[in-house]
Amino acid sequence: DGGITQSPKYLFRKEGQNVTLSCEQNLNHDAMYWYRQDPGQGLRLIYYSQIVNDFQKGDIAEGYSVSREKKESFPLTVTSAQKNPTAFYLCASSIKRERGYEQYFGPGTRLTVT
Amino acid sequence: RKEVEQDPGPFNVPEGATVAFNCTYSNSASQSFFWYRQDCRKEPKLLMSVYSSGNEDGRFTAQLNRASQYISLLIRDSKLSDSATYLCVVHLQGAQKLVFGQGTRLTINP
Repeated sequence: DGGITQSPKYLFRKEGQNVTLSCEQNLNHDAMYWYRQDPGQGLRLIYYSQIVNDFQKGDIAEGYSVSREKKESFPLTVTSAQKNPTAFYLCASSIKRERGYEQYFGPGTRLTVT
Repeated sequence: RKEVEQDPGPFNVPEGATVAFNCTYSNSASQSFFWYRQDCRKEPKLLMSVYSSGNEDGRFTAQLNRASQYISLLIRDSKLSDSATYLCVVHLQGAQKLVFGQGTRLTINP
């Protein structure tokens, strides 16, 4: 089955530690995205990548870093510089249809930093 | 002003009722429009694209009004399983990213 996988589902870290969230897709989509969602809030774009070895900052990139060495993979590192890292992190990929881009999401990783 | 605005709700309606949500967007260059559904503590899932001519998928009807810059979603004969948060999403022309509204929370009551 084609899809987007994120691991782990739940992640707990101590403050001051960097942590890397995994995102893999086998949909052959060119573009991939990372969002953050806080309770009762909408999705905020962290980083996105349109092709391998290229990525752009989203609206809230500070304290995060990404890489795109392979088409299938787009890992996100939450660094110790991120002031409020506890959140629900969603990875997505997109494909261009006749009427525009459709975006599909992985199941998400819930990160708790204490 | 937010790029995409939705009434956060919550909307509480009885099973079988018809319910409608609106969403407004600020950028007239917006090109494509979508409704996503998000269940509690789950990822958003694409519900339907919104076409200029309006489109229907079973009990769901989506409409686009470019002149007034709003999108609507109508759910007929609502089911308990329709309870979720509905996200309005806009794609800007020339950009390969989507802008999400904060969502409208819907609860269908038995």
